[in-house]
Amino acid sequence: AQSVSQHNHHVILSEAASLELGCNYSYGGTVNLFWYVQYPGQHLQLLLKYFSGDPLVKGIKGFEAEFIKSKFSFNLRKPSVQWSDTAEYFCAVRGNTGGFKTIFGAGTRLFVKA
Amino acid sequence: KAGVTQTPRYLIKTRGQQVTLSCSPISGHRSVSWYQQTPGQGLQFLFEYFSETQRNKGNFPGRFSGRQFSNSRSEMNVSTLELGDSALYLCASSLDPSGSQETQYFGPGTRLLVL
Repeated sequence: AQSVSQHNHHVILSEAASLELGCNYSYGGTVNLFWYVQYPGQHLQLLLKYFSGDPLVKGIKGFEAEFIKSKFSFNLRKPSVQWSDTAEYFCAVRGNTGGFKTIFGAGTRLFVKA
Repeated sequence: KAGVTQTPRYLIKTRGQQVTLSCSPISGHRSVSWYQQTPGQGLQFLFEYFSETQRNKGNFPGRFSGRQFSNSRSEMNVSTLELGDSALYLCASSLDPSGSQETQYFGPGTRLLVL
């Protein structure tokens, strides 16, 4: 069955700390991978995406993610977090197996202490 | 360019009633997807429409239905509401008709409370 697993439900960091959010997926086919962010009171927006090519992708606000095909992972990273990064982060997978639908992980709530 | 809009933004209903939610995609986008977001289950896929046809459906009971109009606007309907239907309902639109390599743009959601 298609699924996305995010390792941490809650993460608390101090400003300037490094961030890595884990994401593993189970999908029988070619996948396209996404990270979305939902800031408090705002709607879901795209952070970055991977379709093909360089497995290290860079997104907005200094975020990056690395696709490791052998590990079925797409971890999100940021070298130095800011208080404004406090949000919920969702990893998502989309492919054409079983139709065009996007499967989301359960989300990781990040809280950055000022 | 205007983003995805959803109406109403908030809704309170009682058990047994039905509800219709509306979504207007970004101009030019022809694919519309619906998701249910709850604290316990996260984001769960409901269905996706493209050119007025349902292209895919998630694992929700038949009480959840939807449709898409010729102008790409979409509605979803939930009949015989249950307490567990209380959630944030998100609509997302996308441009790429090939389906898999598409970025979805989300609306602000409709928050439904069932009493």
